[in-house]
Amino acid sequence: DQQVKQNSPSLSVQEGRISILNCDYTNSMFDYFLWYKKYPAEGPTFLISISSIKDKNEDGRFTVFLNKSAKHLSLHIVPSQPGDSAVYFCAASPNTGTASKLTFGTGTRLQVTL
Amino acid sequence: NAGVTQTPKFRILKIGQSMTLQCTQDMNHNYMYWYRQDPGMGLKLIYYSVGAGITDKGEVPNGYNVSRSTTEDFPLRLELAAPSQTSVYFCASSSPDRGHGYTFGSGTRLTVV
Repeated sequence: DQQVKQNSPSLSVQEGRISILNCDYTNSMFDYFLWYKKYPAEGPTFLISISSIKDKNEDGRFTVFLNKSAKHLSLHIVPSQPGDSAVYFCAASPNTGTASKLTFGTGTRLQVTL
Repeated sequence: NAGVTQTPKFRILKIGQSMTLQCTQDMNHNYMYWYRQDPGMGLKLIYYSVGAGITDKGEVPNGYNVSRSTTEDFPLRLELAAPSQTSVYFCASSSPDRGHGYTFGSGTRLTVV
């Protein structure tokens, strides 16, 4: 039962263009969403997050959009840079009041070409 | 500031052997987690801890044990290793503020043959 889904295993984008990574979830209890970036042989690193009370959060070149009715979120990277080439994981957590256990998607490998 | 440190980075085990994956954090985080990542899959939660002396099972706890005697350390024990435990293991820690996300270690790549 995959509660967080990233249906595109890979994405290739030219440098300078916009990268859009998508994520869908099924659990209505999720109220906090995060994106992580992972380089080979390293652990994931936190990129950006959004609470369910918002529909957009922006941090520099990275913007996350949340559509609660569609249970869908997306990460926009503008402009894309070669250093953005990595695997991106979407994650979600419910508001249980205890440890914020995250459920992760399967990841999307982004390649930014010159 | 080291963050989350995992050792070893690589290990090959024979079926039936046991080992402990070490995890230490220096950020005074109360919450710590162990995840495994199989090829083409997301990270699956094995065990987590909300503080010293408190641990609980995650999604895939079978074949593993944990302990949390200090805030800093959260070792993961594999008893009677099986090929199905071949994976990359990540330890992570976090504060109660969800806005900061997790801090992950660099992972341990384990192969059981």
